Amino acid sequence: DAGVIQSPRHEVTEMGQEVTLRCKPISGHDYLFWYRQTMMRGLELLIYFNNNVPIDDSGMPEDRFSAKMPNASFSTLKIQPSEPRDSAVYFCASSSLGGLQDPEQFFGPGTRLTVL
Amino acid sequence: DAKTTQPNSMESNEEEPVHLPCNHSTISGTDYIHWYRQLPSQGPEYVIHGLTSNVNNRMASLAIAEDRKSSTLILHRATLRDAAVYYCIPFSGGYNKLIFGAGTRLAVHP
Repeated sequence: DAGVIQSPRHEVTEMGQEVTLRCKPISGHDYLFWYRQTMMRGLELLIYFNNNVPIDDSGMPEDRFSAKMPNASFSTLKIQPSEPRDSAVYFCASSSLGGLQDPEQFFGPGTRLTVL
Repeated sequence: DAKTTQPNSMESNEEEPVHLPCNHSTISGTDYIHWYRQLPSQGPEYVIHGLTSNVNNRMASLAIAEDRKSSTLILHRATLRDAAVYYCIPFSGGYNKLIFGAGTRLAVHP
């Protein structure tokens, strides 16, 4: 398996523009996670899905952020409108239901977002 | 969620053992202790996890204190590739929700 795939790897946009980040989880994994990493706040969980259904979106910073998982092999994280403070590395991760005490997550390479 | 305390940074020389400590004094009786690491410019990767007994795998060993209030990740022979940020994460249950702290930045010198 190719692992978790994210695109694009780098995105530079201007404030106010819509940004869409994409993720393809590992085939067969039931869970998909979106994280954001900044120097100031570290690695934060934004939202996660189980069987394509959003389970916990309490980490989504505000209404400008939205995430979807239309099928088991694809998810998007959208920011509209984008702001400079959204600049960060966004990671997608997936895992299989290996028991509640065995949640090894596999992370993608991340998307580095810069909002000017 | 259980709180963790890890040193901000540590240093090691190549091919020497490294002991990375983690305090998790508020850990619950059913929490597993997970370790992840993040190499430069990469996403985090799973290292090891355990509940009570010491654990070994191809990457590292995990020593868990008898009272479970602390644990130590052991890299038996550090390599330059082991330079990374290491995260100790008590898993509080629920749906696979990991909470990452600040971690320990490990530098390995040739």
